[in-house]
Amino acid sequence: DAGVTQSPTHLIKTRGQQVTLRCSPKSGHDTVSWYQQALGQGPQFIFQYYEEEERQRGNFPDRFSGHQFPNYSSELNVNALLLGDSALYLCASSLGRAANEKLFFGSGTQLSVL
Amino acid sequence: AQSVTQPDIHITVSEGASLELRCNYSYGATPYLFWYVQSPGQGLQLLLKYFSGDTLVQGIKGFEAEFKRSQSSFNLRKPSVHWSDAAEYFCAASNAGGTSYGKLTFGQGTILTVHP
Repeated sequence: DAGVTQSPTHLIKTRGQQVTLRCSPKSGHDTVSWYQQALGQGPQFIFQYYEEEERQRGNFPDRFSGHQFPNYSSELNVNALLLGDSALYLCASSLGRAANEKLFFGSGTQLSVL
Repeated sequence: AQSVTQPDIHITVSEGASLELRCNYSYGATPYLFWYVQSPGQGLQLLLKYFSGDTLVQGIKGFEAEFKRSQSSFNLRKPSVHWSDAAEYFCAASNAGGTSYGKLTFGQGTILTVHP
């Protein structure tokens, strides 16, 4: 049973570019949440997708957007990259929206913005 | 504003020694509380959680945590640390009830180093 898988594992971009990160949830899960973890910090909630809609959003600008596909996989898009967007981006999946107890995290995508 | 604070950025213990990692929260009402562990190159793994009821919670890998409402704390403990426990530990919280939608607020983490 595959867990949460994220791709790519590492990515290098330059300021102003756009990036797309991908997440496949754990088998049987239908909800995907995205977190940003800056170096030396705890993860910060970006947003959550359920039934292909954004259900809740953290304090992130509109440059951060996402999508969920019918197979429950998800993408995180970041436009106009800033140096401060360099971080580990974590995807977490769960079954249903009120399921904090069953959040499963992927290993993340390390994004470096130069 | 809701927040989770882990006062210790880095803790070093000897193998076999006891461990306590501190966590304090600031929420309008008692939140759901969690401890996660993160090893290098790995995702976050849930150690234990507190929703309600017994204030002493048992988790995986021999960890336990105690919820103290009066102190707004949820400290993680282990009676005897193993070298494999070296990792970064995160305390997290979310609004209680069905409206949390998977939105966790994390502390900044505590790095645990274990000396042989």
